[in-house]
Amino acid sequence: DAKTTQPNSMESNEEEPVHLPCNHSTISGTDYIHWYRQLPSQGPEYVIHGLTSNVNNRMASLAIAEDRKSSTLILHRATLRDAAVYYCILIWAGGTSYGKLTFGQGTILTVHP
Amino acid sequence: NAGVTQTPKFQVLKTGQSMTLQCAQDMNHNSMYWYRQDPGMGLRLIYYSASEGTTDKGEVPNGYNVSRLNKREFSLRLESAAPSQTSVYFCASRDRVGGRGELFFGEGSRLTVL
Repeated sequence: DAKTTQPNSMESNEEEPVHLPCNHSTISGTDYIHWYRQLPSQGPEYVIHGLTSNVNNRMASLAIAEDRKSSTLILHRATLRDAAVYYCILIWAGGTSYGKLTFGQGTILTVHP
Repeated sequence: NAGVTQTPKFQVLKTGQSMTLQCAQDMNHNSMYWYRQDPGMGLRLIYYSASEGTTDKGEVPNGYNVSRLNKREFSLRLESAAPSQTSVYFCASRDRVGGRGELFFGEGSRLTVL
């Protein structure tokens, strides 16, 4: 299974942009890149996903490298409520291992007022 | 729309006792998952069910069994609980639309084994 690598922690100031990186050098052509975040004492929640092109939604933007070996989750203006653990995972579209979704350690984002 | 519902939310067991964690989703999703999360750690996959009628082992299946009762329900059973199984357990589901379907998680079940 393709794996992802993220920094253990990052810090930001409130109302500043945050760029959370994820490396996935063994990504396959059918892997989608998904981002989730987990607020304290809650279950993870979906943030955004993409395949090849950059994506935007109300929560964040996802920038995907041209070779797809890395991606960056962008929070345009961090708020204190964005303090969470952010997970980058790859979801394979098919094959015998379909459905086996594993998470790494994620990045702990601290936002300072 | 309830999404993914887990019961119970909290449970305390003694070593050797058995229990079942229940999970139900009302989104007509094909795939369901059980994860555990130890304090300060990431999520680890215990078992998953890619579709109704199938179950497969994840990263840490030892000490657990699962049942995909129907399309809505996926239960996790601890036959003989051990202190090492003290953790927060999350159930998740997603639709089978290739890689596009997002995961939906329950609120978690906090289990303590004494």
